Amino acid sequence: EADIYQTPRYLVIGTGKKITLECSQTMGHDKMYWYQQDPGMELHLIHYSYGVNSTEKGDLSSESTVSRIRTEHFPLTLESARPSHTSQYLCASSLGRGHFNNEQFFGPGTRLTVL
Amino acid sequence: GNSVTQMEGPVTLSEEAFLTINCTYTATGYPSLFWYVQYPGEGLQLLLKATKADDKGSNKGFEATYRKETTSFHLEKGSVQVSDSAVYFCALSWSGNQFYFGTGTSLTVIP
Repeated sequence: EADIYQTPRYLVIGTGKKITLECSQTMGHDKMYWYQQDPGMELHLIHYSYGVNSTEKGDLSSESTVSRIRTEHFPLTLESARPSHTSQYLCASSLGRGHFNNEQFFGPGTRLTVL
Repeated sequence: GNSVTQMEGPVTLSEEAFLTINCTYTATGYPSLFWYVQYPGEGLQLLLKATKADDKGSNKGFEATYRKETTSFHLEKGSVQVSDSAVYFCALSWSGNQFYFGTGTSLTVIP
C-alpha cells in the first residue's frame, strides 16, 4: 500500500491569500510530482523533483512554487491565490529506478476553491 | 514525441457487461505502460502495468496486453460491477521519469 499523504483534503480561501499544500511520502522515493487536474479530468504536470534540492517546472505554466528540502516532503505554495487556481491538486511519487519499479503512487488530492 | 490517446467517454454499461477501453501510444522503444483508476474524490491508484512487449497486466478482473505491433494497451474486463464505476487513465513512462497520461475515460456501471 502506498504511503503518500496530502493535507488539507479540502480548502476554501479568499483571493489574495498565501497557501501551502502539503505532500509527504514515507516510501523513500526520490521522485515527486505535482499535478493539477481540471474538471474534465485531464492531468497537467506543474512541478516535479528528482531529489533533494532539485525542482523543475512541468508542462503547465503555474504561478505556484515548490521546494524539496527533505526527501519525504514536497510542498506546493501559492503566494497569492486567485479564482483561476480553483482545481484539484494531486501529488505523486515514484521510486523511478530503471524500467521495472517506475510506477507513480498518488496521494488523495487537495481540492482547492478560491473565492 | 511521447503521447497516449485513449477512448473518449463517458462510457455507460449495464452490470455484467464486457468492458473495453482503448488506449494507443506513441513512443520510441519500449516504455512501461500503465492503467490507473480514480474513484470519486480520491487520487489515482495503479490498476495494472506491463513493462515489455506481449506482457499482460492483470488485477481485480481487469487485463491489458502490451502490443508493440499496434502500439496499444487496451483495458478489458469480462463482467463489470457497479463498484467499477470510476475514471480510468492510460499512461506510459520511461524509467519512471516523465509520465504521459491519457485524458481519462469515465465509466458508469448501472445495475
